[in-house]
Amino acid sequence: EPEVTQTPSHQVTQMGQEVILRCVPISNHLYFYWYRQILGQKVEFLVSFYNNEISEKSEIFDDQFSVERPDGSNFTLKIRSTKLEDSAMYFCASSEVLTDEAFFGQGTRLTVV
Amino acid sequence: DAKTTQPPSMDCAEGRAANLPCNHSTISGNEYVYWYRQIHSQGPQYIIHGLKNNETNEMASLIITEDRKSSTLILPHATLRDTAVYYCIVSPLLELTFGTGTRLTIIP
Repeated sequence: EPEVTQTPSHQVTQMGQEVILRCVPISNHLYFYWYRQILGQKVEFLVSFYNNEISEKSEIFDDQFSVERPDGSNFTLKIRSTKLEDSAMYFCASSEVLTDEAFFGQGTRLTVV
Repeated sequence: DAKTTQPPSMDCAEGRAANLPCNHSTISGNEYVYWYRQIHSQGPQYIIHGLKNNETNEMASLIITEDRKSSTLILPHATLRDTAVYYCIVSPLLELTFGTGTRLTIIP
């Protein structure tokens, strides 16, 4: 069964450092998403991406965040200068169409120290 | 904020049907009802979705009331692996707003 793959599974970074989280969506999917979940809290939408541009973004997705599809397979989330409060599980998701099921990856646990 | 209301927790005996209710009284005409679940801290897993009609797939059934203000997710024969947090989400697209969900515990 096709799946969304995220790397690394766990990343530790120092406050103020840049971090890039990587995702390989399902190959025929056109819509891509990033969500995050702070420990013990709700899953929160960050951004959606289609046709090489951002479709929607939440208030959380400020200038410190950016997304990119650098080639035909990867989808990345960059945090320019990490803060302690960026510590969370980050989930990538993809879907074939806008209203069908979204497939989520297993997440990258980001710890900012 | 989430536009749905779900009980915070439920128990169900293994092998029985688990019926998870959800209220979404302010749902708009173009919003779908999605159900996802999350096992421990894994990525959310899609279960089923619908617009107006009842839906069934290999995992579950979704019953949506005629006025669309509430729905019920039915897991027909619950197993221990169905223990998870279940989220009912209403949304026109896949920019999903997760609430706190229902923590379903399957009892052996």
